[in-house]
Amino acid sequence: SSELTQDPAVSVALGQTVRVTCQGDSLRDYYASWYQQKPGQAPLLVIYGENKRPSAIPDRFSGSNSGNTASLTITGAQAEDEADYYCNSRDNTDNHLIFGGGTKLTVL
Amino acid sequence: QVQLQQWGAGLLKPSETLSLTCAVYGGSFSGYDWNWIRQPPGKGLEWIGEINYGGSTNYNPSLKSRLTISVDTSKNQFSLKVRSVTAADTAKYYCARRLSWRIGGGSSAPGINYVDVWGKGTMVTVSS
Repeated sequence: SSELTQDPAVSVALGQTVRVTCQGDSLRDYYASWYQQKPGQAPLLVIYGENKRPSAIPDRFSGSNSGNTASLTITGAQAEDEADYYCNSRDNTDNHLIFGGGTKLTVL
Repeated sequence: QVQLQQWGAGLLKPSETLSLTCAVYGGSFSGYDWNWIRQPPGKGLEWIGEINYGGSTNYNPSLKSRLTISVDTSKNQFSLKVRSVTAADTAKYYCARRLSWRIGGGSSAPGINYVDVWGKGTMVTVSS
C-alpha cells in the first residue's frame, strides 16, 4: 500500500502565508483531500479535488497538486487556524484510504 | 444536513470484541462509502475499513483478520466489530462518509476522494 508523507510541524506568523505539503505516489492518481483537526474535535474537511472548499471554509484556504505532491496553503493565517492538518488519498491498486501522518501548525 | 450518530462500549478487556454502530440521519444512505477511521491518543488517523450500500467491504490489511463491517440498510446504519482487542486498539473511533469518483468517469482520469461527514467519535479503551 502507498504512504503519504507530511512534515510533523510547521509554524507561521500571524497574518502570513504558510504551505503544508504531502507527498506520495497515490497523489499522481487521486487528488489529495485535506482535514483540519483541533483538540478534542473530529477532523473537518477543508480542501478536496483540484482546489475546492466546502462552503463553510474560508477562502484563505487553498490547495494545489503537482505530480506526487499536494499542498495546502493558508494565506493570511489566523490564530484559529492553529491545528493538526492531515492529507488523505486513495491507493489506486487496492482502493484503500491513506492518511498522512499529520502536520501540527502553530500560529505565532 | 447529514449527521452521523455513533455509539458502542467504551471500555473493553483484552480479547473482547469491540462493537460500534453508526446511524445516518438527514441524507441518502445509498451512493456513498461508509467508513470507520480511528485515532490512538496523541497520534494520527488510521483508516480501518469501509462498506457500501450493497454490502461490499474494503478493509485495512493490517486489521482485516479481526474485522467485520456490516450494513443495515433498513435502518440506515453500519457497524464495526473488531475481535480479540488489545491495548493497541485503544483509540477514538470515527464513523464517516466518503465520496470518490474519477473526473469524466474514465479509469485513467484524475480521481477525487474525500471524507465529508464525520461522527463525533467514540473513545474506546482496552485495559485489564
